[in-house]
Amino acid sequence: SFELTQPPSVSVSPGQTASITCSGDKLGDEFAYWYQQKPGQSPVLVIYQDSKRPSGIPDRFSGSNSGDTATLTISGTQAVDEADYYCQTWDNTIHVVFGGGTKLTVL
Amino acid sequence: EVQLVESGGGLVQPGGSLRLSCAASGFIVSNNYMSWVRQAPGKGLEWVADIYSDGSTYYADSVQGRFTISRDNSKNTLYLQMNSLRPEDTAVYYCARDFAGLSGYYHYHYMDVWGKGTTVTVSS
Repeated sequence: SFELTQPPSVSVSPGQTASITCSGDKLGDEFAYWYQQKPGQSPVLVIYQDSKRPSGIPDRFSGSNSGDTATLTISGTQAVDEADYYCQTWDNTIHVVFGGGTKLTVL
Repeated sequence: EVQLVESGGGLVQPGGSLRLSCAASGFIVSNNYMSWVRQAPGKGLEWVADIYSDGSTYYADSVQGRFTISRDNSKNTLYLQMNSLRPEDTAVYYCARDFAGLSGYYHYHYMDVWGKGTTVTVSS
């Protein structure tokens, strides 16, 4: 079965850049998506089609996807960005798959 | 306003059944792809099932043959019928709009609208 692998946790200091990776076999051949989930809340889409931001998502969120790795980058990280982040992809055989999630801590 | 509201969760014994509902407003369910996604306590997101606008359905291996996704066009509502429930099905169940299409040669599928979720607990 196809799997997406994320680091369980990432820590960053306020104002610094956080990078969260998502690895999967030939992930770059498909689009990658990223969701933010805060405790007790539903997930929120923050990046779609590798690098596009939905309306209302701050421009400090950016994404890339190439080879076997997609990356979510948060520039100038703020305390409000502390959350769990999930990557997701789709293809015609597995349909939807999520990564295991990364807990971002802003120290 | 585009909105999804789930209902129908609760406590059920192993082997039992439950039907979840997801009422949509602000868009037409039958014109869209729709998904169920679940999250076990303290765990990550797990895709459960999809229904496409043409009525095609797809399931995760973990629920294939036990769960059925469907919709009622007259009520603009999505359903998830869950049978033969197991303790490992305990989770918050979210419905979501699966925004899908083609960009060049590539298919895109992502969840752009989520409900608040409904909790299913399978326990004796």
